[in-house]
This record gives sequence, structure tokens and C-alpha cells, in this order.
Amino acid sequence: DAKTTQPNSMESNEEEPVHLPCNHSTISGTDYIHWYRQLPSQGPEYVIHGLTSNVNNRMASLAIAEDRKSSTLILHRATLRDAAVYYCILRDKSGSGGGADGLTFGKGTHLIIQP
Amino acid sequence: GAGVSQSPSNKVTEKGKDVELRCDPISGHTALYWYRQSLGQGLEFLIYFQGNSAPDKSGLPSDRFSAERTGGSVSTLTIQRTQQEDSAVYLCASSSNSWGADGYTFGSGTRLTVV
Repeated sequence: DAKTTQPNSMESNEEEPVHLPCNHSTISGTDYIHWYRQLPSQGPEYVIHGLTSNVNNRMASLAIAEDRKSSTLILHRATLRDAAVYYCILRDKSGSGGGADGLTFGKGTHLIIQP
Repeated sequence: GAGVSQSPSNKVTEKGKDVELRCDPISGHTALYWYRQSLGQGLEFLIYFQGNSAPDKSGLPSDRFSAERTGGSVSTLTIQRTQQEDSAVYLCASSSNSWGADGYTFGSGTRLTVV
């Protein structure tokens, strides 16, 4: 899976929007962009994924650049419960399965929410 | 079940003993992954099962580690002759297909402590 680059940490205030950036300049045409988050002492939790178009769900929105070399996870109104490590991951749809197709987690962005 | 279930949630074992960790994936999910996460570190891929295909064991760190998946459902990760460096949280994830189009669902993990 192609590599992604995220800031190590970000800080935001409660009830304000949060924009978490991710760069993936080597993305291929068959790579899906996945976002997961990991709350303290829990397993990772799926947030959202997309291919080309912007996506919205109950948790967040995903804005994908036109050239797909970057994306932004948007939390519209952060709460203290959104404090977590957020991972941006590329997942190749064309993969035939196997270890190389396993989700590769980088360091992610540690999101800190101030009350 | 409603989610991925892992047991036990915590396991303390003496160095040199064997341990078995269990994962119950979401019913109908064909893809199952094992990861481990050492304290303060990212997720390390261990092994991947897809349907009835031979598992991809490329992430297993040594021959002391093995895993099986019976009937395409429950999976067991076995660590023989445990060492202190095996201490970590072991996470299981499942997906409805090999490339996680619908996202991967993670269990809460098994925290293994080797003393």
C-alpha cells in the first residue's frame, strides 16, 4: 500500500470543526483512502473511506483533492470523545489478498481536544 | 455477533509458557487479520486469512507464532514459549471482502503481558 503523511499531532477546541490533513502523493488509481481512529485503550475504529468523490457519514466527512494526492478528514463539531489517534490509510482494491494487502498503519495524528 | 469479539481481554503469562488468543469475527466476514500493538507504537500486521485460501503468514515475527481459522470463522493465534518482547495488545479485525470496501471492524484486543 502506498505511503501517507500526516502531522504527528493537532489540537482543537471542543465544539469547533477539525480538519485533519493527509498527503498521499504516490496514490494509485485503484487505491481507496481509508480513515480509522483509535481511542485510548481500544482497537481502531473505522471512520470513513472514499475513492474520488467527497464522502459524508454520521461520523465525519472526507474531502478528497481533485488530483487525489491529498485528503482531509473533517469532524464538524469536535467533542472530547473525539480525542484519539487518527490514521489515514491507502487500500488497493486491486490487491489479491495477503499480507501485502493488510492495512498498513503509520503513526497517525494524535488529536487533542481542549474543553 | 454485533462486532468482533476477542478473548481473553487480558492475559498474564510466565516466560516460556504457551498462550492461545481467540478471535470471533463478524458473521459472514471472509477476511480476518491479526495485528499486534506494542505500548505507544503503531499496529504491526501479523497474519491474514481470506475465505478458504491459504493464510498469508508473512507478518509473523518468528516460528513461535502460528494461527489457524476453523470453518472460515473463529481464529486462534498461538504463541509458543512466550518471551517478554511478546508483551503487547493483539488485535483482530474482520471485513466482508479482501480489500475492506466496507471498512474493517476491529475487536478490543487481548492485552498480553509476559512476566
